[in-house]
Amino acid sequence: DAKTTQPPSMDCAEGRAANLPCNHSTISGNEYVYWYRQIHSQGPQYIIHGLKNNETNEMASLIITEDRKSSTLILPHATLRDTAVYYCIVRVAPSGGGSNYKLTFGKGTLLTVNP
Amino acid sequence: KAGVTQTPRYLIKTRGQQVTLSCSPISGHRSVSWYQQTPGQGLQFLFEYFSETQRNKGNFPGRFSGRQFSNSRSEMNVSTLELGDSALYLCASSSRTLVPHNEQFFGPGTRLTVL
Repeated sequence: DAKTTQPPSMDCAEGRAANLPCNHSTISGNEYVYWYRQIHSQGPQYIIHGLKNNETNEMASLIITEDRKSSTLILPHATLRDTAVYYCIVRVAPSGGGSNYKLTFGKGTLLTVNP
Repeated sequence: KAGVTQTPRYLIKTRGQQVTLSCSPISGHRSVSWYQQTPGQGLQFLFEYFSETQRNKGNFPGRFSGRQFSNSRSEMNVSTLELGDSALYLCASSSRTLVPHNEQFFGPGTRLTVL
């Protein structure tokens, strides 16, 4: 799995957009970018994933640069409940009977949403 | 449907003892992965079971073992406990079908304290 680099912490005002960056300069052509988050004292929660196109779901948007060496997770209107550690993970997509189901977590970014 | 459940939620043991943790995946999910989370090492993959077979293994000593039953429930065992085994142990389930990008659903974890 390619290595990722994230800032250790970020602050965001409630109601504003939170933009969390992730560098993955050694990403391979068949590796996807996944984002998970972990709210204090809970298990990690899947947010979104993408390959090269920008993606959006009900939780967030994922912007991947054209060279795929970095990406940004966007929470459009951050709330206090979005305070969590956000993990950017790069790996080959899991498939059927394959063995690539493990997630390699880095240190992540602690996002603190302030009132 | 019900989420991933883990029992017990909290456990206190002493050095040298052994412990068994239990995980019940989401109904219909046949893959169960185990992770250890500590402040120093972060989230680390232990192993994954699918259809009662270990499919993937992390870099942990043989004192850490697991198994999966025919109903997909999984247990993790740690023998000869050491102080460094104090951690949050997380279980994640996935459907592991041929549909790619199966997200993993995490349970709340078992907080193990070794005295």
